[in-house]
Amino acid sequence: EAGVAQSPRYKIIEKRQSVAFWCNPISGHATLYWYQQILGQGPKLLIQFQNNGVVDDSQLPKDRFSAERLKGVDSTLKIQPAKLEDSAVYLCASSSSAGSDTQYFGPGTRLTVL
Amino acid sequence: GENVEQHPSTLSVQEGDSAVIKCTYSDSASNYFPWYKQELGKRPQLIIDIRSNVGEKKDQRIAVTLNKTAKHFSLHITETQPEDSAVYFCAASISGNTPLVFGKGTRLSVIA
Repeated sequence: EAGVAQSPRYKIIEKRQSVAFWCNPISGHATLYWYQQILGQGPKLLIQFQNNGVVDDSQLPKDRFSAERLKGVDSTLKIQPAKLEDSAVYLCASSSSAGSDTQYFGPGTRLTVL
Repeated sequence: GENVEQHPSTLSVQEGDSAVIKCTYSDSASNYFPWYKQELGKRPQLIIDIRSNVGEKKDQRIAVTLNKTAKHFSLHITETQPEDSAVYFCAASISGNTPLVFGKGTRLSVIA
């Protein structure tokens, strides 16, 4: 099966600019996650969707981060305005709702904020 | 909330030797424990997982053990090969499509 797709793979922006990332999960996967991975650390959850509804966004910095999954398939994550500390890899993962715990990760988007 | 501690942060072994990575977790409700391997610049790849009703699971050279009483689980890699060199992450979650809480990772280097 095709894996989780993400774009762009790399992005460099100035602080205070805005940026958006896109994720296409594995076909049929109802659950989608966005994780932030800072260099040298494990991934940390930002937001979880079940179909087009938000399940958990307790760790999303809502003053600057937003995410949507309007049709229950693709998702976008936006940062506006970006700060230096937002430099990280943003990973999208998906899992099937049919009782499987396995999360499959995309290749990530490496964001550098200057 | 859940907190996962992982040790060691770096590990060097000679090719053919075994490697062991240990993790502890804090939330007794957690019952799903996957291990991911991440090569430089690549996506995390699931290599093995274990659920709370199982104490040990093996897949060729890789095994994971779980002690729910002590709230710790370990990854064992036997007969290590240079291609095993990567960063390994443990994680924990309550099963049923809930977010993973990751450890900080272990950088494994296998020296030929």
